[in-house]
Amino acid sequence: GQSLEQPSEVTAVEGAIVQINCTYQTSGFYGLSWYQQHDGGAPTFLSYNGLDGLEETGRFSSFLSRSDSYGYLLLQELQMKDSASYFCAANNQAGTALIFGKGTTLSVSS
Amino acid sequence: NAGVTQTPKFQVLKTGQSMTLQCAQDMNHNSMYWYRQDPGMGLRLIYYSASEGTTDKGEVPNGYNVSRLNKREFSLRLESAAPSQTSVYFCASTQATGLPTEAFFGQGTRLTVV
Repeated sequence: GQSLEQPSEVTAVEGAIVQINCTYQTSGFYGLSWYQQHDGGAPTFLSYNGLDGLEETGRFSSFLSRSDSYGYLLLQELQMKDSASYFCAANNQAGTALIFGKGTTLSVSS
Repeated sequence: NAGVTQTPKFQVLKTGQSMTLQCAQDMNHNSMYWYRQDPGMGLRLIYYSASEGTTDKGEVPNGYNVSRLNKREFSLRLESAAPSQTSVYFCASTQATGLPTEAFFGQGTRLTVV
């Protein structure tokens, strides 16, 4: 089976840094990606890690450790517009599908 | 560029009715997916199609069927709708399954079965 675990909720204030963790159990793991979804909207891609280490895209960074079956999304300089749900998703072995975690709701307050 | 287009956006069905959700992408992507999203459950994969002519079951396929009509279109059919199928359905596409590439999502179909 395949499963991805992430916290259900995280709260933070504007300007802060928040880390959303994701642990996974998949057969033939290929890579970990992150998506953002605002209320009522479609998920949108944020980042992807195919190799161990840190990937940085503006205020967002994502990290992967294959040996620990663990990754995280780091959001810096939080803004109110960052309030949304964040999903980690695993690409498992080539030729199979994209499986999502249950999502983390981030609430940013002023 | 429209990306991924789903129709309809909203639908109300009575228990036992059938319907087909349509999805089309104009990005020449090989792989397409159907997900359902329920509160607190994240996105659960129903079916996917790695390439034209192939379809495979995902995590929650029971009660659904799919057709990959051509490279652009991937439809999801509910043969006999049940209240448990009330959900938001998302179609997505990627260039190729398994590669480090982003998934593009449609805007969703909000289905209520009464």
